[in-house]
Formats: sequence, structure tokens, C-alpha cells
Amino acid sequence: EAGVAQSPRYKIIEKRQSVAFWCNPISGHATLYWYQQILGQGPKLLIQFQNNGVVDDSQLPKDRFSAERLKGVDSTLKIQPAKLEDSAVYLCASSPGTLREKLFFGSGTQLSVL
Amino acid sequence: AQSVTQLGSHVSVSEGALVLLRCNYSSSVPPYLFWYVQYPNQGLQLLLKYTSAATLVKGINGFEAEFKKSETSFHLTKPSAHMSDAAEYFCAVSINDMRFGAGTRLTVKP
Repeated sequence: EAGVAQSPRYKIIEKRQSVAFWCNPISGHATLYWYQQILGQGPKLLIQFQNNGVVDDSQLPKDRFSAERLKGVDSTLKIQPAKLEDSAVYLCASSPGTLREKLFFGSGTQLSVL
Repeated sequence: AQSVTQLGSHVSVSEGALVLLRCNYSSSVPPYLFWYVQYPNQGLQLLLKYTSAATLVKGINGFEAEFKKSETSFHLTKPSAHMSDAAEYFCAVSINDMRFGAGTRLTVKP
């Protein structure tokens, strides 16, 4: 079974530039999450999708971050413009859909903002 | 909103010693609780989960955790540490979504 795919693996940009991350969840998984993991901290939830609808985006900095999940499958997370404090690993995770289920994580995208 | 607090950002034990990683949760409704492990340069993997069945949950690699409602705790234990257990461990709570603690880095000394 293929896992959660994320790309790119690494990205280096300068502040005020834009960047986009892509995630393809496990086939059939209804729920998709984006997390931000700053070095030395736990993953922080940015946004949760159920199929192609947003369930929770209360911690997403909406002035610069946006995310979409068209057709309820793959998803993109965008930052525009990036700030130095956005340097982190961006993790995508998916699950079949119920709260009892574990999350399957991708390898993440490591973003460095210079 | 639900949250978890992990006591101790860094725990160091000797090989063969008991491992105890502490997690306390805050939730207004019965939670689902999880422990994940992150090895260097790898993604998060599930160790074990509590979903309101048995309060003592056994996971992979000899780890187990006990749900104690009276103490709002879900501490992770392993009787005998192995060098390969060195990693970052995250406690998580799921009500409407999955929220993670700050993590505890486990170091195992030979």
C-alpha cells in the first residue's frame, strides 16, 4: 500500500517569497491534515479536511497561509509571503476518517526561509 | 479545546532501565489518546492508542500506556530500555482533531 506522498522534500526560499507544498494521501482516506513542526516542538495542526471540506482551520494564519483539497484527494498548502518564522517541517497526514483511527504521516517538507 | 502536556522535554535512561514518559491531557469529553514516535529523519509512527476499551494499552516494541481518568494521565512505559528506543516521543489527543504535545526526547545510555 502506498503511503502519504509529499513534495518537495526540501525547499529554501527568501523571506517574502511564495512557496507551495503538495500532498497525496493514502487512497480512500477521507481525512487529511496539515501540521507545522518547528524544530524542537510538537506538530501544530494548521488545517483539517474531511473529503474536500474544511473541518478545522482555527490555527491557520490565514493572512499568509492557504490550503485546498480539490476533489477530496490531494492537497496543496501555500505560504505567501513567507516569513523567517515559517521555517519548519510541514507534515501531511491522512486517516480513514474516524477519530479513533491513527494518522498516517508523510515524510514532510522541510522549509528554510532565509 | 483539547490539549496534552508532556512533562520533561528530555529524558535520559541507561540501557535496560525503566522508561517512563509522562503525558497529561485536558478534555471536556472522553478523549482518544495516542503515543507516536519519531526517529531521526523519519516520519511519525504510531506506538499505541487508547480508544475507551481497556485502560492498559500495549503497543509496539514493548511499550505500553495506562489511561487514568482520575489523574487525566496517559503515561508511556517500557520495562527495559534498548538503544534503539532513542527517539522523540509525542503524546496526542483526539476529540474533533488530533493535537500533539511538545514531545519528549529519549536518550538511552549504554
